Amino acid sequence: EPEVTQTPSHQVTQMGQEVILRCVPISNHLYFYWYRQILGQKVEFLVSFYNNEISEKSEIFDDQFSVERPDGSNFTLKIRSTKLEDSAMYFCASQLLLYTEAFFGQGTRLTVV
Amino acid sequence: DAKTTQPTSMDCAEGRAANLPCNHSTISGNEYVYWYRQIHSQGPQYIIHGLKNNETNEMASLIITEDRKSSTLILPHATLRDTAVYYCIGRRGTSGSRLTFGEGTQLTVNP
Repeated sequence: EPEVTQTPSHQVTQMGQEVILRCVPISNHLYFYWYRQILGQKVEFLVSFYNNEISEKSEIFDDQFSVERPDGSNFTLKIRSTKLEDSAMYFCASQLLLYTEAFFGQGTRLTVV
Repeated sequence: DAKTTQPTSMDCAEGRAANLPCNHSTISGNEYVYWYRQIHSQGPQYIIHGLKNNETNEMASLIITEDRKSSTLILPHATLRDTAVYYCIGRRGTSGSRLTFGEGTQLTVNP
């Protein structure tokens, strides 16, 4: 069964460093998302991406964040200068069409020290 | 997106049906009702979604009231592996539409 793949599963980084979280969405899906979940809190929407541009972003997704689909298979989330409060599980999701379900990856646990 | 209200927790005996309620009285006409679940800190898992009609798939059934103000997710034969947090989400069917997760219902299936 097709699945969304995220790498790495766990990343530790120094505060102020740049990190790139990688996702391989399900092939032929057209809509892509990033969510995050701080430990013990709700899953929060960050950004949606369609047709090579951001469709919607939350107030969390400030100038420190960027997304990119550099080729036909990868979808990345970059955090330019990480803060301690960026420590969270980051989930990528993809969706085939409007009105269809989004499938989530297993997440990348980001720890900023 | 519609605000949804779910019980904080529920228990169910293994092998019995689990019925998880959700209130979404402010849901608009173009909003779908989606159900996801999350086991520990794994990625949310899609279960089922619907607009007006009742829906069934290999995992569950979704019963939506005629006025669409509430719905019930039914797991027909709950197993221990169904222990998870279940989220009921109202979602617009428009481009880039986000999923807004609430607190959900912690379902515990007991042996």
